[in-house]
Amino acid sequence: TQLLEQSPQFLSIQEGENLTVYCNSSSVFSSLQWYRQEPGEGPVLLVTVVTGGEVKKLKRLTFQFGDARKDSSLHITAAQPGDTGLYLCAGVRGGETSGSRLTFGEGTQLTVNP
Amino acid sequence: DTAVSQTPKYLVTQMGNDKSIKCEQNLGHDTMYWYKQDSKKFLKIMFSYNNKELIINETVPNRFSPKSPDKAHLNLHINSLELGDSAVYFCASSRGRRTDTQYFGPGTRLTVL
Repeated sequence: TQLLEQSPQFLSIQEGENLTVYCNSSSVFSSLQWYRQEPGEGPVLLVTVVTGGEVKKLKRLTFQFGDARKDSSLHITAAQPGDTGLYLCAGVRGGETSGSRLTFGEGTQLTVNP
Repeated sequence: DTAVSQTPKYLVTQMGNDKSIKCEQNLGHDTMYWYKQDSKKFLKIMFSYNNKELIINETVPNRFSPKSPDKAHLNLHINSLELGDSAVYFCASSRGRRTDTQYFGPGTRLTVL
């Protein structure tokens, strides 16, 4: 089983602070995705990183894929209360000809206090 | 317009009952999925269908049976419900290629008493 370990599991910070969430695995993934889930809703894709060492920015969010494609990080600058939610990383396995098999991490519950 | 919809939103039932959850997508996608999210928010794939054909079947009890009448629908039928089946079940769809975005439905919270 290819497991993805996310840390920290819970994070409570004040508005304006920076934070980093980590996603680590002993396995190589063809790509890695980050999702955000709000209460009562399904996860929504934020970004997909494909190339080892790739860095993608989405406003105040910076995503990085490790050189060996085994780990990833999500950095949020100047967090805002609207960033509150459950952040999930998901590794995509290669080889399938149709569809994608996502292996999810355990999630990081982020709370940004005003 | 709702892209991926699920019914019902909440389902409360007794142990031993049989229940179904319905999923529909209006995105024209070829591939649909069922996921289970447990009380610790861990999300795990259960099944995937591509053009009505089962392509992913994780280690799920035989009591769970997906049915895809057409590309736009993937229903989940659960027999002889157990307490451990209590969870949030999410349907998702994608175009079918490995790196495509999966669009998730709002989830169905199943509570087995």
